[in-house]
Amino acid sequence: GESVGLHLPTLSVQEGDNSIINCAYSNSASDYFIWYKQESGKGPQFIIDIRSNMDKRQGQRVTVLLNKTVKHLSLQIAATQPGDSAVYFCAENILNTDKLIFGTGTRLQVFP
Amino acid sequence: SQTIHQWPATLVQPVGSPLSLECTVEGTSNPNLYWYRQAAGRGLQLLFYSVGIGQISSEVPQNLSASRPQDRQFILSSKKLLLSDSGFYLCAWSNPFRDKDQPQHFGDGTRLSIL
Repeated sequence: GESVGLHLPTLSVQEGDNSIINCAYSNSASDYFIWYKQESGKGPQFIIDIRSNMDKRQGQRVTVLLNKTVKHLSLQIAATQPGDSAVYFCAENILNTDKLIFGTGTRLQVFP
Repeated sequence: SQTIHQWPATLVQPVGSPLSLECTVEGTSNPNLYWYRQAAGRGLQLLFYSVGIGQISSEVPQNLSASRPQDRQFILSSKKLLLSDSGFYLCAWSNPFRDKDQPQHFGDGTRLSIL
């Protein structure tokens, strides 16, 4: 499959630990944010999203935190599992557009 | 439920040859459609997007073109491929903008190698 993330920042965590992946976004006019997970050879898969009028949103084992003051987004994964190993991208949607701007990605490696 | 299909999954083409990659979406109507390119170790670069049949917006100058002949069909083309066109091409769809704050959903991509 396609080798994504050859030169990406890497986060290595032990199975069962919590993971925190960070993202700095660029545009203060962005009003909607998404986290994607991309496994090797596949397209990005939607994980969770958050609107700019919120600062936290929880899903199943995942939590997204948004700090608009410093334009920072984070993805927290609880009890990380081997199946969580992938490259994670944040994306921002600029107000009143149909377009997303993607971050460069972080590779998450889970070891036993 | 909605599904998106891209083909082929992999493609090896000689420099100077033409290209046609196809993407179709099922289970929705009047979606926004997108083509992205992803270089190894990089994020996604938006190439084209479309909000309706025959409506194409180009994001970056390049050797590629896009067309939308039907509501749920999006095609990426080139008349003459360059070495620099190698990459991983991803198609995505989303509900129309009027349905505020909708994520994009991606196909599994085409890995294009130019020799």
